[in-house]
Amino acid sequence: DGGITQSPKYLFRKEGQNVTLSCEQNLNHDAMYWYRQDPGQGLRLIYYSQIVNDFQKGDIAEGYSVSREKKESFPLTVTSAQKNPTAFYLCASRLAGDRGELFFGEGSRLTVL
Amino acid sequence: QQPVQSPQAVILREGEDAVINCSSSKALYSVHWYRQKHGEAPVFLMILLKGGEQKGHDKISASFNEKKQQSSLYLTASQLSYSGTYFCGTELGAGGTSYGKLTFGQGTILTVHP
Repeated sequence: DGGITQSPKYLFRKEGQNVTLSCEQNLNHDAMYWYRQDPGQGLRLIYYSQIVNDFQKGDIAEGYSVSREKKESFPLTVTSAQKNPTAFYLCASRLAGDRGELFFGEGSRLTVL
Repeated sequence: QQPVQSPQAVILREGEDAVINCSSSKALYSVHWYRQKHGEAPVFLMILLKGGEQKGHDKISASFNEKKQQSSLYLTASQLSYSGTYFCGTELGAGGTSYGKLTFGQGTILTVHP
């Protein structure tokens, strides 16, 4: 079955450590997105990518980094520069160049101790 | 810039209707609507494109007022399963092409009681 897989589902890290969240899709989608979800603040866009080897900053990119070396993969690194990294992170994908729907992964919950 | 949703929360009895609004300060290319249940990923409801169209999905429909850059989601004869958080997502573009950036509002929490 096609879909988006995020891992890990839960992650605990110490303050000051970098963390990488995985996002893999087998939907043959061109565009991939990372959102951060905090209570009462909705879904905020971190980074997005429309093609391999290219990505753009979203509204809250500071303290995060991404790569898009393969069409299927769009990992997100939460760096030590991110001041409040504890959150629920959602990865999504869709066909580029088409006003298509977003397909979301199940999310990764990061807790920084 | 995030679109603005209103109201922030709605409480209904089964069978009642509700309207959720979404507005943007910029000219929109499309508007998306999603519903998220607690602890789950958001699920797609519908997309509205430039042109002021209206769409429907069972007893859930939506409209897009291009002149006002506003969209409204209409839930009629609400069911218990409608409970969740509703998000509108807005997309900018030009010349029939999207910029690719999809930004969401802060969400509207809908609770339906028996």
